[in-house]
Amino acid sequence: KNQVEQSPQSLIILEGKNCTLQCNYTVSPFSNLRWYKQDTGRGPVSLTIMTFSENTKSNGRYTATLDADTKQSSLHITASQLSDSASYICVVSAKQAGTALIFGKGTTLSVSS
Amino acid sequence: ETGVTQTPRHLVMGMTNKKSLKCEQHLGHNAMYWYKQSAKKPLELMFVYNFKEQTENNSVPSRFSPECPNSSHLFLHLHTLQPEDSALYLCASRQETGDSYNEQFFGPGTRLTVL
Repeated sequence: KNQVEQSPQSLIILEGKNCTLQCNYTVSPFSNLRWYKQDTGRGPVSLTIMTFSENTKSNGRYTATLDADTKQSSLHITASQLSDSASYICVVSAKQAGTALIFGKGTTLSVSS
Repeated sequence: ETGVTQTPRHLVMGMTNKKSLKCEQHLGHNAMYWYKQSAKKPLELMFVYNFKEQTENNSVPSRFSPECPNSSHLFLHLHTLQPEDSALYLCASRQETGDSYNEQFFGPGTRLTVL
């Protein structure tokens, strides 16, 4: 069964600190993996996308990694800011007909001053 | 904003009411989607429209009725809902080219509460 598991479920960190969010998936055949950021009361916004051949992708202070062999991805946030407080959702796309997006439940990050 | 708008942003309705959610995309995309987002659950895909034709219906109860009059507008008609239907309803659009690389752009969502 295609599944995406994220950990931790929630995380609280101090402003300026770094953190890493995890995503494990059992999606086959794999097409790509995307990380979304969802602010409270808003829709998700894409941060990065990685295909099978890409190991890392950066977007400002956000760096995503992908290990296609172990089917794991991480999202590293550097020098966190209060505006990073949001839910981060890992979405894996399968190569199949139709819309084959498998969503994780998300990690809720709270950055405090 | 992402180019996808949704109205209303908040809706409270009784179980016997009939209401509609509206979504409009200004991105020139050819596919539109309805999702349900409940607390502590992954996003659930409800309906997909491609070139105004419904291509997916993920076993959604008939009390949810979608309508796509053109490639820019998408509606979700609601009637005789249940309290467990309370959730955030997200609309998204995408340029469907046969692969999954193209990003889905989401609207801000409608927060629905069923009393």
